[in-house]
Amino acid sequence: GQQLNQSPQSMFIQEGEDVSMNCTSSSIFNTWLWYKQDPGEGPVLLIALYKAGELTSNGRLTAQFGITRKDSFLNISASIPSDVGIYFCAGLGNTGNQFYFGTGTSLTVIP
Amino acid sequence: GAVVSQHPSWVICKSGTSVKIECRSLDFQATTMFWYRQFPKQSLMLMATSNEGSKATYEQGVEKDKFLINHASLTLSTLTVTSAHPEDSSFYICSASGGRLRTYEQYFGPGTRLTVT
Repeated sequence: GQQLNQSPQSMFIQEGEDVSMNCTSSSIFNTWLWYKQDPGEGPVLLIALYKAGELTSNGRLTAQFGITRKDSFLNISASIPSDVGIYFCAGLGNTGNQFYFGTGTSLTVIP
Repeated sequence: GAVVSQHPSWVICKSGTSVKIECRSLDFQATTMFWYRQFPKQSLMLMATSNEGSKATYEQGVEKDKFLINHASLTLSTLTVTSAHPEDSSFYICSASGGRLRTYEQYFGPGTRLTVT
């Protein structure tokens, strides 16, 4: 399968700080999705991006579809303890309807 | 959003037995369902893609005779792990897309924790 690399791998931040993470691929994707996964649960969709350059917000979350179509970024503003979890990006390629997931970014928010 | 359920949420079985996991889309018709496997602290690995009424498409390295997938209706897909062994112990997650959802949106079930003893 295709490899999507996320960075950073893990983050430890103070409550109230802003968070930035990104996802890069060697291949072009037509759609990017961002998910959050809590321990022992399935991933929950946060934001979907469908066009290169698109910037989309969902509350305190903002995600961007990179112009090259090989990357995407997720920002979380004013973090709170419930933001804790693992964030995954997922990309949809040109063939078929399979999504490929990134390696994940683990976020810990310190109250 | 959309709701996808999985049953059971966890299961323990003995080596050599088979286990069936159900994935249901509760409020939309899922023309496509995906099955993933996730090891602790790792990403999701796509196992197979199934379209309603068709045979599943398996990813490279996934044994189709071991992981039987059936997608007989627009709201139900099943994954059967046959002759399970301890190395099959993992977190299995399904997702679904189609119907009223935007193109290529997929929603995940809560996962099933399988432990093979």
